[in-house]
Amino acid sequence: AQKITQTQPGMFVQEKEAVTLDCTYDTSDPSYGLFWYKQPSSGEMIFLIYQGSYDQQNATEGRYSLNFQKARKSANLVISASQLGDSAMYFCAMRGNYGQNFVFGPGTRLSVLP
Amino acid sequence: DTAVSQTPKYLVTQMGNDKSIKCEQNLGHDTMYWYKQDSKKFLKIMFSYNNKELIINETVPNRFSPKSPDKAHLNLHINSLELGDSAVYFCASSHQGVANEQFFGPGTRLTVL
Repeated sequence: AQKITQTQPGMFVQEKEAVTLDCTYDTSDPSYGLFWYKQPSSGEMIFLIYQGSYDQQNATEGRYSLNFQKARKSANLVISASQLGDSAMYFCAMRGNYGQNFVFGPGTRLSVLP
Repeated sequence: DTAVSQTPKYLVTQMGNDKSIKCEQNLGHDTMYWYKQDSKKFLKIMFSYNNKELIINETVPNRFSPKSPDKAHLNLHINSLELGDSAVYFCASSHQGVANEQFFGPGTRLTVL
């Protein structure tokens, strides 16, 4: 069975600093995708970044980058130069190639301090 | 243009009533999903439809029944609503394949009184 673990229920970061949100996963699928979503207080789910299990390079999207360590089964999200608008819940998710479903972690609530 | 839309956005109803939430996507995706997000923000998948066929039915009460009239629509009907059904329900869609992200609707906040 697939499982996502996010061990940080809440994180604080000072504005303009970088922050790392942890995500570890477990799967027996040979191929899989890892995703991060942001959910601000307004409630919508926003896709941030994707990493494929066979990708050689870590994914980057603007201020977001994914620190992918396959052997350790971790896919941490790094947000550089934090902004007040980054305050939100962040969910790590995985999709295996043997199923259609996504598995989500419990989320990390990030608060950016001015 | 809205990619994944849900109606209604808010739904307040009495225990025991029957209600439906509608979902439509205009992205041409072949897979649609329903999620329940509880008060602790945990996202639980309820159903998944691929090309109008149910491919996942997690352990949800049979009071919940998804209906997919076509690939672009996946509605959720709930019978005999209970207090514990209060939550935010998200519809989502995606293409098949591990590299394809889900696109979420805005959510429907259901409150059962």
